Amino acid sequence: EAQVTQNPRYLITVTGKKLTVTCSQNMNHEYMSWYRQDPGLGLRQIYYSMNVEVTDKGDVPEGYKVSRKEKRNFPLILESPSPNQTSLYFCASSAASGSWVETQYFGPGTRLLVL
Amino acid sequence: QQQVKQSPQSLIVQKGGISIINCAYENTAFDYFPWYQQFPGKGPALLIAIRPDVSEKKEGRFTISFNKSAKQFSLHIMDSQPGDSATYFCAASRMDSSYKLIFGSGTRLLVRP
Repeated sequence: EAQVTQNPRYLITVTGKKLTVTCSQNMNHEYMSWYRQDPGLGLRQIYYSMNVEVTDKGDVPEGYKVSRKEKRNFPLILESPSPNQTSLYFCASSAASGSWVETQYFGPGTRLLVL
Repeated sequence: QQQVKQSPQSLIVQKGGISIINCAYENTAFDYFPWYQQFPGKGPALLIAIRPDVSEKKEGRFTISFNKSAKQFSLHIMDSQPGDSATYFCAASRMDSSYKLIFGSGTRLLVRP
């Protein structure tokens, strides 16, 4: 089954304790992204990757890091989480295309609470 | 800076009615306008999308209307069903960078039986 998986699904942590949220896709997609979803703000892109070792900032990258060492994996790293990073996080992937647009497939989400 | 504005924030419709959600965008370089549907506890899933070379696209009970001059697009759900109850997000991007979607703030739709 084609899917994007995220782990963990739920996470409670404390301010300053480094954490990593994993994302993996089995569709051999080139593009991967991380979004955060907050009430009244919709989804905002944190980082995206166009392929292995190619990453770039989205709209809200402050306080986050990513890496793309393998095509299928795109972990999100919070080096020193703060309460304002409490949010619902989604990973997404899509295939590269020529001139046409490819659908973004979203993972099930990771709900993070930073105390 | 909110580049895609979505309204209403919430919507209650009776079964069989028409649900209408509106979005407006600012960046005239956008040429890809998808709508995503999200059920509680799930990630968003693509529902329907339109490019600005057409003014309307219909898929089953779901229709996107697009007004390029007004920089607005809307989702119409005909014969709304309780199973349509979900949060709907409009989005926009350039077609050559569709991995950089700009989302609206979302509309929570409740369809009453």
